[in-house]
Amino acid sequence: AQSVTQLGSHVSVSEGALVLLRCNYSSSVPPYLFWYVQYPNQGLQLLLKYTSAATLVKGINGFEAEFKKSETSFHLTKPSAHMSDAAEYFCAVSEIRSNFGNEKLTFGTGTRLTIIP
Amino acid sequence: GAVVSQHPSRVICKSGTSVKIECRSLDFQATTMFWYRQFPKQSLMLMATSNEGSKATYEQGVEKDKFLINHASLTLSTLTVTSAHPEDSSFYICSAGGGNYNEQFFGPGTRLTVL
Repeated sequence: AQSVTQLGSHVSVSEGALVLLRCNYSSSVPPYLFWYVQYPNQGLQLLLKYTSAATLVKGINGFEAEFKKSETSFHLTKPSAHMSDAAEYFCAVSEIRSNFGNEKLTFGTGTRLTIIP
Repeated sequence: GAVVSQHPSRVICKSGTSVKIECRSLDFQATTMFWYRQFPKQSLMLMATSNEGSKATYEQGVEKDKFLINHASLTLSTLTVTSAHPEDSSFYICSAGGGNYNEQFFGPGTRLTVL
């Protein structure tokens, strides 16, 4: 069985400061890992994904995440927070190693990011 | 990326009635569609997976007779909440995958309120 744990349901950072959102996973096979962002009353948008290639993955809007097998982690970072980054962020894991559009995702509980002006 | 729409975006209904939610992939053929339920300030819980032309696969604990899923074409899947009750009130999100895309695309969600 696969699972994802997101530490910190709420994170607040000042505008311009480093953003760090934590995600740890559990998987019986090498996982595929994803970060999604959700704005209020909207669906999810893919930020980035790890699919066993480079361990440091760069995504949209300046975000990146590093896969660390030894720590079973996939933390999301952004060097400088912007007001528009305020949203809910979800980490997800998939064990199905096929076309990524057909994978079954298991989501973490989400982290709400607040940006302080 | 591809676009997935949901209709309606919001629906309010009386207890005991049935509500149908549509999920459409607008610019690609979705071989697989997923239906999720999201409670306030919580994560997405997968309800079922549907593949075009076959019966949906429901997750454990999800009543298939309560939440009817139809995936009749490669661009449309519907979720019908039958005999809705207040506890069915939630945010329902669909996602679609397939075609030439190597990722899953999410719809904007439907907020269901059962009075």
